Amino acid sequence: NAGVTQTPKFQVLKTGQSMTLQCAQDMNHEYMSWYRQDPGMGLRLIHYSVGAGITDQGEVPNGYNVSRSTTEDFPLRLLSAAPSQTSVYFCASSRGQTLTYEQYFGPGTRLTVT
Amino acid sequence: SQQGEEDPQALSIQEGENATMNCSYKTSINNLQWYRQNSGRGLVHLILIRSNEREKHSGRLRVTLDTSKKSSSLLITASRAADTASYFCATGAQGSSNTGKLIFGQGTTLQVKP
Repeated sequence: NAGVTQTPKFQVLKTGQSMTLQCAQDMNHEYMSWYRQDPGMGLRLIHYSVGAGITDQGEVPNGYNVSRSTTEDFPLRLLSAAPSQTSVYFCASSRGQTLTYEQYFGPGTRLTVT
Repeated sequence: SQQGEEDPQALSIQEGENATMNCSYKTSINNLQWYRQNSGRGLVHLILIRSNEREKHSGRLRVTLDTSKKSSSLLITASRAADTASYFCATGAQGSSNTGKLIFGQGTTLQVKP
């Protein structure tokens, strides 16, 4: 199994551009989440999904959209990039409710917005 | 708001010594998890301790949970240079029950000198 994969690994955007961060898992996990990690801030939950067709907001959802059309994929869309969205983004999946089951993390996408 | 907060923020020890990291949280929890993150990588799940457990072991790791003090500790015994990483505790979001909202603390950065 490849586990959780994320693309791209690195991305530079100009302010106002949009893009989609890709996340895929091959473990048939129902739960998937997106986090951003900033220095000194730990990980903050952006959006999460408890199954195909079901998504909900986390702590810091503004400026981001998600959809979950399949169990495997959970893309994160930046609608109009801002410098404040410069961060490292991690996707994670778990086979059940995240309070109870371990999460498997992808390698991350390092995004810089200029 | 952060549910878990780690202490200390940074810890430097010699190989062979024990390392202790603490996590405090604000509200009642069902479970508490610990994760490790090597530099530039995604997080890796270490251990989950349930609210009705007081202590749990996994190899050189020992986790304790004191629900009366709303705190947990992670002890790494006989540390190795390969243990150099950041360590995060994670618990459920305030008021959540069966949602996907797992909240991470800011982490403790551990450096183990050879």
